[in-house]
Amino acid sequence: QKEVEQNSGPLSVPEGAIASLNCTYSDRGSQSFFWYRQYSGKSPELIMSIYSNGDKEDGRFTAQLNKASQYVSLLIRDSQPSDSATYLCAARSTSGTYKYIFGTGTRLKVLA
Amino acid sequence: DGGITQSPKYLFRKEGQNVTLSCEQNLNHDAMYWYRQDPGQGLRLIYYSQIVNDFQKGDIAEGYSVSREKKESFPLTVTSAQKNPTAFYLCASKETVQQPQHFGDGTRLSIL
Repeated sequence: QKEVEQNSGPLSVPEGAIASLNCTYSDRGSQSFFWYRQYSGKSPELIMSIYSNGDKEDGRFTAQLNKASQYVSLLIRDSQPSDSATYLCAARSTSGTYKYIFGTGTRLKVLA
Repeated sequence: DGGITQSPKYLFRKEGQNVTLSCEQNLNHDAMYWYRQDPGQGLRLIYYSQIVNDFQKGDIAEGYSVSREKKESFPLTVTSAQKNPTAFYLCASKETVQQPQHFGDGTRLSIL
């Protein structure tokens, strides 16, 4: 069974700090990775997509991918209380090109 | 506005009753998905469809049924065979193989 694993948290960081969220995946053939933010009671919202090794930056968010280590991370700079949410990591499965595998999410709390 | 519309937002099911959750998208996306999310859990795939008139079972299809008669519509029926239907149901769609999924606002289903 292909898996995506995340620490459930909560991860607590002070306002203005860098939050680092991590994710590992078991399917070595996975090519596409996504980070979603989900506020309590709401649906997931896409934050970042990453397809190749290295870093990808978008505003305060940086996604990092290391395929050799099967590791994806999301850094949030200058964390704000409004960033408090659950962050879901997802990988596109190679067992079916249209299937995605989601982690259970990491709950982030940014303390004012 | 382009998007994914799920209805209703809240739904109650009586014992022995089938209920249908609606998902409509006007994004011209080929692929559509249904997920179930239980409290504190990740997303579990129920069914997905890559093209009209074709769909595949996901990881937890038992007790559910779908149809894909039109590109923009992918309704999910929760049958009486699904003994524990209380959950948050999310519909998603995507444009191409590489692209990320985008989600509707979800339907919260409870048992009366």
